[in-house]
Amino acid sequence: AQSVSQHNHHVILSEAASLELGCNYSYGGTVNLFWYVQYPGQHLQLLLKYFSGDPLVKGIKGFEAEFIKSKFSFNLRKPSVQWSDTAEYFCAVRTGANNLFFGTGTRLTVIP
Amino acid sequence: DTEVTQTPKHLVMGMTNKKSLKCEQHMGHRAMYWYKQKAKKPPELMFVYSYEKLSINESVPSRFSPECPNSSLLNLHLHALQPEDSALYLCASSLTSSFETQYFGPGTRLLVL
Repeated sequence: AQSVSQHNHHVILSEAASLELGCNYSYGGTVNLFWYVQYPGQHLQLLLKYFSGDPLVKGIKGFEAEFIKSKFSFNLRKPSVQWSDTAEYFCAVRTGANNLFFGTGTRLTVIP
Repeated sequence: DTEVTQTPKHLVMGMTNKKSLKCEQHMGHRAMYWYKQKAKKPPELMFVYSYEKLSINESVPSRFSPECPNSSLLNLHLHALQPEDSALYLCASSLTSSFETQYFGPGTRLLVL
């Protein structure tokens, strides 16, 4: 069965620190990969996605993610976080079936 | 219009009540989804509608009954729910049901007493 792992449950950073959130998935076929963000009290919003092509994808608000097929990973990065990046971040994987599997989420707290 | 709207925002119901959740999008999307999200957990897929037809039912109890009256609307009818059904119910839509980005609504926070 497909699964998505986010090993960091809660990350606390100071403003201007660099961020990397891990995401690993288990599925051997073609996948689409997503990072969603859920700001406090708000709904899920798409940060970025990978369908094909350049494995380094850039999203909104300075976020980027790299798809490494050999490692089944799609880690999210941002060189310098801001207080407004405080949110819950979900990695999600879409397989050939009509389903989107979410990871358990990583809560990011940025301290001003 | 690039958003998915959901009503109501909050709902409190007893175990004998019948209520409905509503979801609407006007992006021309032909796939719509219901997810359930418990606190501090990821969203879990409940139902998928593709071109107004139910294509996936993830073994959801019959006390949850989805309905897709047209391509813009998706309802979730609730009857005889249990307290453990309390959760955030999210609606999403995508252009089609295959390899497309899903756009989420704000959710309906449901409390079953």
